[in-house]
Amino acid sequence: GAVVSQHPSWVICKSGTSVKIECRSLDFQATTMFWYRQFPKQSLMLMATSNEGSKATYEQGVEKDKFLINHASLTLSTLTVTSAHPEDSSFYICSARSTHRGPGEKLFFGSGTQLSVL
Amino acid sequence: SQELEQSPQSLIVQEGKNLTINCTSSKTLYGLYWYKQKYGEGLIFLMMLQKGGEEKSHEKITAKLDEKKQQSSLHITASQPSHAGIYLCGADTGGFKTIFGAGTRLFVKA
Repeated sequence: GAVVSQHPSWVICKSGTSVKIECRSLDFQATTMFWYRQFPKQSLMLMATSNEGSKATYEQGVEKDKFLINHASLTLSTLTVTSAHPEDSSFYICSARSTHRGPGEKLFFGSGTQLSVL
Repeated sequence: SQELEQSPQSLIVQEGKNLTINCTSSKTLYGLYWYKQKYGEGLIFLMMLQKGGEEKSHEKITAKLDEKKQQSSLHITASQPSHAGIYLCGADTGGFKTIFGAGTRLFVKA
């Protein structure tokens, strides 16, 4: 089946530094990728929709200058948490849709990144 | 906006027992997904349902979508410790976005 690789799996950083998370579709092209955030014991919250070659679409309440998204190719989207603070500590997950799949088809998820900001 | 409500929030069952998890949508579902998530890990796709009345099974897990396409249930037969985890239902909102329920945390006692 389709595979989405997310890296790193976990990262610990100091407050004020920036962290980049990569999401790659390994065996299919993804024009659209999604970034989610998950707090302990809560569901996934959609942060933004990443579109290849264009600006990301952010959900209400998500700071676009804080969470920079770049979708430079059909197989790679990156999420950069800029000037991270302890409140940014969370589990971040990406997902991707194939270019050959329309609405109603399944999403493929990365394995997630646990970010801890000290 | 569309919302998904899952019940129960958590469930503890004895190994070998059957269980059912429900997912109710505030609007008609275009596509309903079931995922399993182990704590601190990514989501594993289980099943997708699209048609009213549709039912799918994989090993000991069966998912159904009601005729009105607003409610889905996930049934596990003869639960095992390997079934433990968080079960999430997700739905397409018609704009290439998928929303998720809050999840059901399943614990299976050996």
